[in-house]
Amino acid sequence: AQSVSQHNHHVILSEAASLELGCNYSYGGTVNLFWYVQYPGQHLQLLLKYFSGDPLVKGIKGFEAEFIKSKFSFNLRKPSVQWSDTAEYFCAVSAGSGYSTLTFGKGTMLLVSP
Amino acid sequence: DTAVSQTPKYLVTQMGNDKSIKCEQNLGHDTMYWYKQDSKKFLKIMFSYNNKELIINETVPNRFSPKSPDKAHLNLHINSLELGDSAVYFCASSTVAGPDEQFFGPGTRLTVL
Repeated sequence: AQSVSQHNHHVILSEAASLELGCNYSYGGTVNLFWYVQYPGQHLQLLLKYFSGDPLVKGIKGFEAEFIKSKFSFNLRKPSVQWSDTAEYFCAVSAGSGYSTLTFGKGTMLLVSP
Repeated sequence: DTAVSQTPKYLVTQMGNDKSIKCEQNLGHDTMYWYKQDSKKFLKIMFSYNNKELIINETVPNRFSPKSPDKAHLNLHINSLELGDSAVYFCASSTVAGPDEQFFGPGTRLTVL
């Protein structure tokens, strides 16, 4: 079964700082990778996803992530964060092309101070 | 224009009671899910249904019984509630039971006293 590890539980940044949130997964086969965001009091929304093709994926709100297969990583980046990016960020993985469950990491709480 | 809706949003109840949470999606998706998010925000899959049939049951206690009357609905009934059941329960749906984006509902915060 696959598993996901997010390195930082809490990240505090000032507005305009650059962001990188780490995500590593463990699974030997083909994977599908996702980043979801949960704003305070709201439901999860998809930021971006990777199934195949260009390993650099661009998502909504200026976020991007890079799939590095050799490192089993899918780190999330944003060049300049805003106060409104304060939220919980979840990396998730599902295995293969058939049915499999979506396994989430434990989340990273990002706090952006104005 | 709600895509995935859940009721109720908040549920406070006593230990030992039985309660239900309802979920509906209007996206025309074939697959629906229930997730539990604990106090540390960890999200874990509980059940998955595809076209009204159970396809995933992640070792959830028998006190939890999902029911899917049709493709657009997946309800969660919980018997004999325990303190450890306190959590936020999220419903989600996707087009197919495979690698696809899942759309989440707003969550139901269950508090067992």
